[in-house]
Amino acid sequence: QITLKESGPTLVKPTQTLTLTCTFSGFSLSTYGMAVGWVRQPPGKALEWLTFIFWHDDEHYRPSLRSRLTITKDTSKNQVVLTMTNMDPVDTATYYCARAFNWSLAYWGQGSLVTVSS
Amino acid sequence: QAVVTQEPSLTVSPGGTVTLTCASSTGAVTSGHYPNWFQQKPGQAPRALIYNTNNKHSWTPARFSGSLLGGKAALTVSGVQPEDEADYYCLLYYGGMRVFGGGTKLTVL
Repeated sequence: QITLKESGPTLVKPTQTLTLTCTFSGFSLSTYGMAVGWVRQPPGKALEWLTFIFWHDDEHYRPSLRSRLTITKDTSKNQVVLTMTNMDPVDTATYYCARAFNWSLAYWGQGSLVTVSS
Repeated sequence: QAVVTQEPSLTVSPGGTVTLTCASSTGAVTSGHYPNWFQQKPGQAPRALIYNTNNKHSWTPARFSGSLLGGKAALTVSGVQPEDEADYYCLLYYGGMRVFGGGTKLTVL
């Protein structure tokens, strides 16, 4: 059974750095072609792809957020960590982690609502 | 950055057929964009329906199908059920980047 779960703060202040962890089970991020990434959704708005990290350590980022995003993985712990710097109220959103494999995003976490407010 | 456009809203009667489309600002959508389709109901995470244009996941109901139609990616729902009322998103691949469409709100009425 494949599962992913996001964890991290629910509230961050403007200018702070957000760190979210995706803990997954049922697959290995060292498998050829595997990737885990992050997608966010502001309240009432559309999904936004943010970043992926691949089995061979390649990283893809949303160009408009490249300077603020970092994705890392710990294959032994089955975890992927998203770091987003200089948080702003417009970054308030539900952040989802998802597994990418064979050109599909078949498995998603339940999502983690992050509010940016002073 | 490419922009992916979907119909903002569509309405269909139960038992009817509806086609949702997904267009790219860079030109025709092809299989090389590896179109994915997702369904999202209020308060829930997205659920994957279609990948690589027309491939279904094991849980995808048979009434959902994906295709390329007139330079766009398309999701067709045949024999719409009341539980198909939801938001639908497409996702396109652009050589290392992914872009979601703005979503289509499907109303079953």
